[in-house]
Amino acid sequence: QQQVKQSPQSLIVQKGGISIINCAYENTAFDYFPWYQQFPGKGPALLIAIRPDVSEKKEGRFTISFNKSAKQFSLHIMDSQPGDSATYFCAAIRSNDYKLSFGAGTTVTVRA
Amino acid sequence: GAGVSQSPSNKVTEKGKDVELRCDPISGHTALYWYRQSLGQGLEFLIYFQGNSAPDKSGLPSDRFSAERTGGSVSTLTIQRTQQEDSAVYLCASSPGSSGYTFGSGTRLTVV
Repeated sequence: QQQVKQSPQSLIVQKGGISIINCAYENTAFDYFPWYQQFPGKGPALLIAIRPDVSEKKEGRFTISFNKSAKQFSLHIMDSQPGDSATYFCAAIRSNDYKLSFGAGTTVTVRA
Repeated sequence: GAGVSQSPSNKVTEKGKDVELRCDPISGHTALYWYRQSLGQGLEFLIYFQGNSAPDKSGLPSDRFSAERTGGSVSTLTIQRTQQEDSAVYLCASSPGSSGYTFGSGTRLTVV
């Protein structure tokens, strides 16, 4: 059973627009939530991560919003650029565990 | 090394042959993971190593798949009697603990 549900499966956004990817989880023991970015032919690379003691984390044009009570978190890509076109995976893990639970991935296409 | 290194980057093999895929993790990372990613799909967990031990092999799809790790470093994933459904990208990741993984670029396996 998938412990992290991710949506949408794919999205297309115009250059300069906002891309929003949503994830939901069930296990309240999860306490670390990373996002990975994967370009074709490459492995996923850690993009940004958040712990549940904060509601938002921003790094450049990438922001994670975290809603602990709803057990949801999302990635916002502001001012989307063609170079942001990639597949994005959300994930979750609890302290002292070893295995990340991944969402199914979202393919983002940014049109110039 | 500076990153996770996987070899070969591409492998084409005939159905029924055995293949070995290699992973060199980041120096000092005690945890090592193998994942499989089929075309356009998410990340399928195969096996986890802590040091040279594999406490979780639950994702290996059949007894044709095996993996070992030596010296707490290099790992080899072996697929015996390859089948066409084994065609995928095999990703290796390493981690210093229960936080984000660093992935390699993967081995693209094609069984013809």
